[in-house]
Amino acid sequence: AQTVTQSQPEMSVQEAETVTLSCTYDTSESNYYLFWYKQPPSRQMILVIRQEAYKQQNATENRFSVNFQKAAKSFSLKISDSQLGDTAMYFCAFMKHAGSSNTGKLIFGQGTTLQVKP
Amino acid sequence: DVKVTQSSRYLVKRTGEKVFLECVQDMDHENMFWYRQDPGLGLRLIYFSYDVKMKEKGDIPEGYSVSREKKERFSLILESASTNQTSMYLCASSILQGADNQPQHFGDGTRLSIL
Repeated sequence: AQTVTQSQPEMSVQEAETVTLSCTYDTSESNYYLFWYKQPPSRQMILVIRQEAYKQQNATENRFSVNFQKAAKSFSLKISDSQLGDTAMYFCAFMKHAGSSNTGKLIFGQGTTLQVKP
Repeated sequence: DVKVTQSSRYLVKRTGEKVFLECVQDMDHENMFWYRQDPGLGLRLIYFSYDVKMKEKGDIPEGYSVSREKKERFSLILESASTNQTSMYLCASSILQGADNQPQHFGDGTRLSIL
């Protein structure tokens, strides 16, 4: 069975600075996807970034980038130039590749609450 | 944009009541999911469905059932509500595109309190 672990329940960062959220996972699969989702206070969960395990290159989306270390089973999220609107709970999630009888199920970590301070 | 709509943002029910949580998506997605979100536990999958009238148990199905009579609608049913089912419930949907499942889209969530 797959597991996802986020060991930082809460973090804070000053506006305009950089912060890194950690995520580790455990799986015996060789092909899978990893995601970071963002859940702002009282608002909808949205996808931040996605990484495909077979791709060596780390995914980036504007100020958001990941450090994907497949051998170490680590998938951290870096937020550069933090903004007040980045304040949210962030979830790391794992999904098996469709070829392995997957129906799109996600396995989530416990979440990290990020506070961006002015 | 994909729209996943949950019928209520906040709901208060009494112990023993039968509770229905409704979810509708407008993008013809095959897959639909119900999660509950609790502090320190993240999101845990209750049930999911990959087609009309098809359903599979997730990690914590006890005390819940689901119904998917139409492709766009996925209902979560608490047969006899108990206080330990007080939680945030999130619905999500995703599409199978080619040979692969795409990321899930989420509704706003329903905060359910059982008194």
